[in-house]
Amino acid sequence: DARVTQTPRHKVTEMGQEVTMRCQPILGHNTVFWYRQTMMQGLELLAYFRNRAPLDDSGMPKDRFSAEMPDATLATLKIQPSEPRDSAVYFCASGLQGGPGNTIYFGEGSWLTVV
Amino acid sequence: GQQVMQIPQYQHVQEGEDFTTYCNSSTTLSNIQWYKQRPGGHPVFLIQLVKSGEVKKQKRLTFQFGEAKKNSSLHITATQTTDVGTYFCAGPRLGTSYGKLTFGQGTILTVHP
Repeated sequence: DARVTQTPRHKVTEMGQEVTMRCQPILGHNTVFWYRQTMMQGLELLAYFRNRAPLDDSGMPKDRFSAEMPDATLATLKIQPSEPRDSAVYFCASGLQGGPGNTIYFGEGSWLTVV
Repeated sequence: GQQVMQIPQYQHVQEGEDFTTYCNSSTTLSNIQWYKQRPGGHPVFLIQLVKSGEVKKQKRLTFQFGEAKKNSSLHITATQTTDVGTYFCAGPRLGTSYGKLTFGQGTILTVHP
């Protein structure tokens, strides 16, 4: 059963520490998204790749966040240095542009707490 | 910027009652998608509507896309406890048809047995 895999599932870290979240998209999908979910802001798009090329990261605080796709099977989201306001659930999602229904599949999320 | 609003924010129903959530976009959408997120879970794609006035059904769920392609609704008939969760609508950002979604704030549905 194909699914998007995210690690870590849960992370508690101290303010100022670096956090790296990883995502393995569904094999064959050409589009990868990073979303952040908080109670106050809901689901926000942070970054978006197609065929590994970054298309849009306008939703991401540039000074501390970075997103990359080193290869087709790995996407990373890094926060350095982390701050308490970064506490949220970070979802990776993947999809195939032009695929049936334009369906996007979300991973189970990385629950980040910065203390 | 583009906004997608959902009402109500919360809905509590007795099992067996019907439920409807409404979604309104500030801009015309090329398509609209609906997702369900169970408590502690992740958004799961339910359906996409593309055509003006389109109506689609999935068992007890009925999805509708407005004629002007700026609003949509999800109706659940005879709710069950398994329907509990947050229902999100999402539309593509202006100038895109795929992927870069603007999500509504969601409607949290609780069902009392």
